[in-house]
Amino acid sequence: QVQLQESGPGLVKPSETLTLTCTVSGGSISSYYWTWLRQSPGKGLEYIGYVYYSGSTNYNPSLKSRVTISLDTSKIQFSLRLSSVTAADTAVYYCARTIVVVPPGMPPPYYYYMDVWGKGTTVTVSS
Amino acid sequence: DIQMTQSPSSLSASVGDRVTITCRASQNIGSYLNWYQQKPGKAPKLLIYAASSLRSGVPSRFSGSGSGTDFTLTISTLQPEDFATYSCQQSYSTPLTFGGGTKVEIK
Repeated sequence: QVQLQESGPGLVKPSETLTLTCTVSGGSISSYYWTWLRQSPGKGLEYIGYVYYSGSTNYNPSLKSRVTISLDTSKIQFSLRLSSVTAADTAVYYCARTIVVVPPGMPPPYYYYMDVWGKGTTVTVSS
Repeated sequence: DIQMTQSPSSLSASVGDRVTITCRASQNIGSYLNWYQQKPGKAPKLLIYAASSLRSGVPSRFSGSGSGTDFTLTISTLQPEDFATYSCQQSYSTPLTFGGGTKVEIK
């Protein structure tokens, strides 16, 4: 059974870069999309972006200038880098495996759903 | 971005009750709508995808309906383990967006 585990620092200083890693165990990284999301205290979920096993990416425009999501197939991991963090980036960060149903030859929209999630890691931005 | 609005934001119910949660999209999203359950301190769990498809292993008391802009999650007979927060998510276009959540509390 596929499991995901986030890792990284729990405390980051303002203006620095946050780096988190999600390790995938019990399954393959191929043929799936791998997504990062976050949830600020008391708020709803926010999509950060995804990386496909081919390496293609999609980012939330609200964060695009500061986000990089990458995949390391040899380590079966994917990572999130968020630069120039502020207190507004304080949140629980989740990684998730994402199923995308793409009918052959059909243009978007497509069905995306996150079927396996990590437990989440709390990141606080503070000096 | 497509805005997702859930109502109510919270509700109180008793074990055995029928519970209905509504999610409204700011534009037509067809059936590109998923539902998640989240318990305090835990990650969300997928319940329903494509508006009405029940994920394997999810109890049949959960059901989803709707298309276009208006969607519903129904719990037919509320069980003790169902007290949680439920969120909808659209996948019609990126950025994927979520509703603010509906907290189901014990009456």
